[in-house]
Amino acid sequence: AQRVTQPEKLLSVFKGAPVELKCNYSYSGSPELFWYVQYSRQRLQLLLRHISRESIKGFTADLNKGETSFHLKKPFAQEEDSAMYYCALFGVGGNKLVFGAGTILRVKS
Amino acid sequence: GAGVSQSPSNKVTEKGKDVELRCDPISGHTALYWYRQSLGQGLEFLIYFQGNSAPDKSGLPSDRFSAERTGGSVSTLTIQRTQQEDSAVYLCASSLALAVSDTQYFGPGTRLTVL
Repeated sequence: AQRVTQPEKLLSVFKGAPVELKCNYSYSGSPELFWYVQYSRQRLQLLLRHISRESIKGFTADLNKGETSFHLKKPFAQEEDSAMYYCALFGVGGNKLVFGAGTILRVKS
Repeated sequence: GAGVSQSPSNKVTEKGKDVELRCDPISGHTALYWYRQSLGQGLEFLIYFQGNSAPDKSGLPSDRFSAERTGGSVSTLTIQRTQQEDSAVYLCASSLALAVSDTQYFGPGTRLTVL
């Protein structure tokens, strides 16, 4: 079965502190993983994908196949990073995104 | 250019009534997806279209749900005999094609409330 687990519903950090949003997955094949973000009153949008190995807005995510994880990290959180973050897996046999439950990130000043 | 649009933005209906939700994808996008975002279930996939065809309807929650797409563009999600558990935000997304490398762009959603 394809499943994405985000264990934290809410992560609260101070501005300037490091951030790590956890994501674990279960998938039998070679996974394609994404992070999506939804800022307040905005639509869901792609933040980054593992195949691009990119850094967006200071965020990075490394696929660890041994630990089946794709944690999202940023060394220094900013207030504008406050949002809902979803980890997602592109599922085979349905051409669909399988989402985790999401983590609310609150960056306090 | 314009992004994915959805209408209505909000819909309040009474239990037992039928509702239609509309999605206008980005022009030229051949793939279209419907998702549902609810408090208890998070974001769940409902159905996808390649052109006007929906090869797999197994993600639809019940036979009260149906979807169609015409002209390779606009899609309509119809819920018949609505129930309170249908209350959710219904999201539409489109992508250039079905490849995993094709980013899915999401609409603002339709918030459905069933009284």
